Amino acid sequence: QVQLVESGGGVVQPGKSLRLSCAASGFTFSNYGMHWVRQAPGKGLEWVAVIYFDGSNQYYLDSVKGRFTISRDDSKNTLYLQMNSLRAEDTAVYYCARDSMAEYIPTGALDYWGQGTLVTVSS
Amino acid sequence: DIQLTQSPSFLSAYRGDRVTITCRASQGISNYLAWYQQKPGKAPQLLISGASTLESGVPTRFSGSGSGTEFTLTISSLQPDDFATYYCQHLNTYRLTFGPGTTVEIK
Repeated sequence: QVQLVESGGGVVQPGKSLRLSCAASGFTFSNYGMHWVRQAPGKGLEWVAVIYFDGSNQYYLDSVKGRFTISRDDSKNTLYLQMNSLRAEDTAVYYCARDSMAEYIPTGALDYWGQGTLVTVSS
Repeated sequence: DIQLTQSPSFLSAYRGDRVTITCRASQGISNYLAWYQQKPGKAPQLLISGASTLESGVPTRFSGSGSGTEFTLTISSLQPDDFATYYCQHLNTYRLTFGPGTTVEIK
């Protein structure tokens, strides 16, 4: 069965960096676009970034552009989110999610999600 | 950028009630809309994509409709397992937008 397991969250000071990982299993990882979505405590969902199935394109939420980098290692079936210059407003549970469309431009419909990893930015 | 609004933001209903949630887009988005259900402490679950296509395994009491700027999610007979927060989402290749959510609680 499809599984996505995030890791790497924790407490970090403002201005510091953190790298999140998402280990995928149960499907051909290299065939799917992947997304990061976050949810601040008690708030709604906010999309963060997408990477195409072939890694050819990445797109970001405006407020994280230039600070966050999404990447993938298909040999390890793992998705990453490198987060630099972290701010208090980046505090959230970060979910990785699979795009439902295989081997094509992502549609944005997210059919499988991980359980999330909490990032807290605080001094 | 496309903005999504949902109404109501909160609703209280009885088991067996028919429930409708509305999502409005700031400009026409054809049928590029999805609906998700999220329970407390859990990841969201995709219910409907393409405005009206029910995902595999989702109960048939859920249905979606609409096109352009106005969309609805209907639960035909509310069940205990349906008490959750529901989000609409604009489907887009490079910039996803979620609505603010509608929380459905037991009356």
